[in-house]
Amino acid sequence: NAGVMQNPRHLVRRRGQEARLRCSPMKGHSHVYWYRQLPEEGLKFMVYLQKENIIDESGMPKERFSAEFPKEGPSILRIQQVVRGDSAAYFCASSRGQGLPGAFFGQGTRLTVV
Amino acid sequence: TQLLEQSPQFLSIQEGENLTVYCNSSSVFSSLQWYRQEPGEGPVLLVTVVTGGEVKKLKRLTFQFGDARKDSSLHITAAQPGDTGLYLCAGALENAGGTSYGKLTFGQGTILTVHP
Repeated sequence: NAGVMQNPRHLVRRRGQEARLRCSPMKGHSHVYWYRQLPEEGLKFMVYLQKENIIDESGMPKERFSAEFPKEGPSILRIQQVVRGDSAAYFCASSRGQGLPGAFFGQGTRLTVV
Repeated sequence: TQLLEQSPQFLSIQEGENLTVYCNSSSVFSSLQWYRQEPGEGPVLLVTVVTGGEVKKLKRLTFQFGDARKDSSLHITAAQPGDTGLYLCAGALENAGGTSYGKLTFGQGTILTVHP
């Protein structure tokens, strides 16, 4: 079984550019979660999505960040006008459903803003 | 203030020793997961515990969920160099609106080094 797939694994962007991070959940999983891991910090929840719906975005920065999980295709985390402070590892996790515990993580995308 | 306090932050032991990592909170969790994360990789799920007092064993690893579902521990017996890595506990908070099991609160992590 394929696990959670994230791409790209590494992404370098110049300040002011846009970053697009993609996540395909595990087969049979309909819930997607994005987390950010800043250097020397722990994993922090950003957003929780189901197909075509944002369920909880309480961890998302108010500006420049957005996320979607369309009916077809992967979930996308989009960061506009990136700044150096956005450099971090971004992880996606998926789970089967709200009533079922256990979340499985992808390998992450390491974003470096130069 | 960290919602989920994990300790110790660093642990350096010799091969063959036993160790315990703790996660504590004043909040109640619907479930608690333990992950292991290697450098440059994503967290790998080791175990999920959901019932207060639950104990799960995975070879030399024993996981326990506190009776009140506010704390958990990971015990490793006869540690080996291959156990070296970052261990993370993460919990899904219980709330009146229903639990989102994938919205996790993470501890700070324990960096374990097992010397041959």
